[in-house]
Amino acid sequence: GEEVAQTPKHLVRGEGQKAKLYCAPIKGHSYVFWYQQVLKNEFKFLISFQNENVFDETGMPKERFSAKCLPNSPCSLEIQATKLEDSAVYFCASSQSIGQGGNEQFFGPGTRLTVL
Amino acid sequence: GQSLEQPSEVTAVEGAIVQINCTYQTSGFYGLSWYQQHDGGAPTFLSYNGLDGLEETGRFSSFLSRSDSYGYLLLQELQMKDSASYFCAALVYGGSQGNLIFGKGTKLSVKP
Repeated sequence: GEEVAQTPKHLVRGEGQKAKLYCAPIKGHSYVFWYQQVLKNEFKFLISFQNENVFDETGMPKERFSAKCLPNSPCSLEIQATKLEDSAVYFCASSQSIGQGGNEQFFGPGTRLTVL
Repeated sequence: GQSLEQPSEVTAVEGAIVQINCTYQTSGFYGLSWYQQHDGGAPTFLSYNGLDGLEETGRFSSFLSRSDSYGYLLLQELQMKDSASYFCAALVYGGSQGNLIFGKGTKLSVKP
């Protein structure tokens, strides 16, 4: 598609429950990024993919967070055993490239995760 | 650590010009991007500077000086709809890195 799509829009989980978020990048874009934004403040980078391969996972809290981008499927971000501090808006973005022309990232509308 | 500094709030009147500064301290710096975000919605790309100098796109211009680790976004002929948060973001690339590191955002309020 022409826009980055994210589902669901809102997700409510009790502490300790699992949360799974989905992202469909713009068709033709090779790179996918996940960011976490808490309280409309700065965006925290989590992980990026080049097609189905992890490109940069330096921001990923590895104990409870995992992510995948499989061929012909939406990308996913999964949080096992959610904590109150995971409450945030999770944005997915895609780009044609990194470090060359066409590296602007296009963001989806976000998934608001609330952990109670 | 990796960080970008920008003012937290700026206020200006319609029709005026405003400049939002950004200084950065990052490893693997490749270029500087600017994004606009309205009320927590999807950030939208405004501009990217890969080289030193000025990039102009309509009412918006962006500048980068690598030697000073500094950039700015210039908004001209301000309109009410420009009220939003503006984020500078460093593209870091190389080795195992490939992502944007964001500043904390500057909330711009445009008054009539």
